[in-house]
Amino acid sequence: GDSVTQMEGPVTLSEEAFLTINCTYTATGYPSLFWYVQYPGEGLQLLLKATKADDKGSNKGFEATYRKETTSFHLEKGSVQVSDSAVYFCALLSSGGSYIPTFGRGTSLIVHP
Amino acid sequence: EAGVTQFPSHSVIEKGQTVTLRCDPISGHDNLYWYRRVMGKEIKFLLHFVKESKQDESGMPNNRFLAERTGGTYSTLKVQPAELEDSGVYFCASSQNGGANVLTFGAGSRLTVL
Repeated sequence: GDSVTQMEGPVTLSEEAFLTINCTYTATGYPSLFWYVQYPGEGLQLLLKATKADDKGSNKGFEATYRKETTSFHLEKGSVQVSDSAVYFCALLSSGGSYIPTFGRGTSLIVHP
Repeated sequence: EAGVTQFPSHSVIEKGQTVTLRCDPISGHDNLYWYRRVMGKEIKFLLHFVKESKQDESGMPNNRFLAERTGGTYSTLKVQPAELEDSGVYFCASSQNGGANVLTFGAGSRLTVL
């Protein structure tokens, strides 16, 4: 079945550091890929998405590129801010079937001033 | 537009007791989903409503869990009797047309079973 594997957290960085959160997936067909973010006390919200191979999703300085050859969708940001502290979830939606998104375990990011 | 609202935000109960979680989706969203996240693990799918009908309940762990969506509006998820392993955060999400539409999530209901 479909699955998403994320790097274990927490990831702790200083402000303005470079961020990478790894995500790899297993799915049949050609899934759409997503990153959701959950800020403290709030629900998950979509951060970015990519629907086909080599697409790059971007938002708020974050980027992720859909790599079919490595089945990966790593999240990156060049310079993190304290306000980026949150839990980040990688997810996929299979191209055929139930349209139920599959999520990873989430990676907590803590950014210190 | 009001978001997805979940109640309660946190519930602490003893093993064997009953808890009912409520989700109010965004008005007009026919699709409603329940997910659960056990501490540090994946957000796992529980079930999916389209209006008042259960479209997919393959993720429901066992018959101690009962979900309803009367009238296709709000939904409740009842756990009876609760067990220790039911502890976690229960998320509700809704979407307008299902399919590849992005889900809008509530803030979650944290359940602690002692």
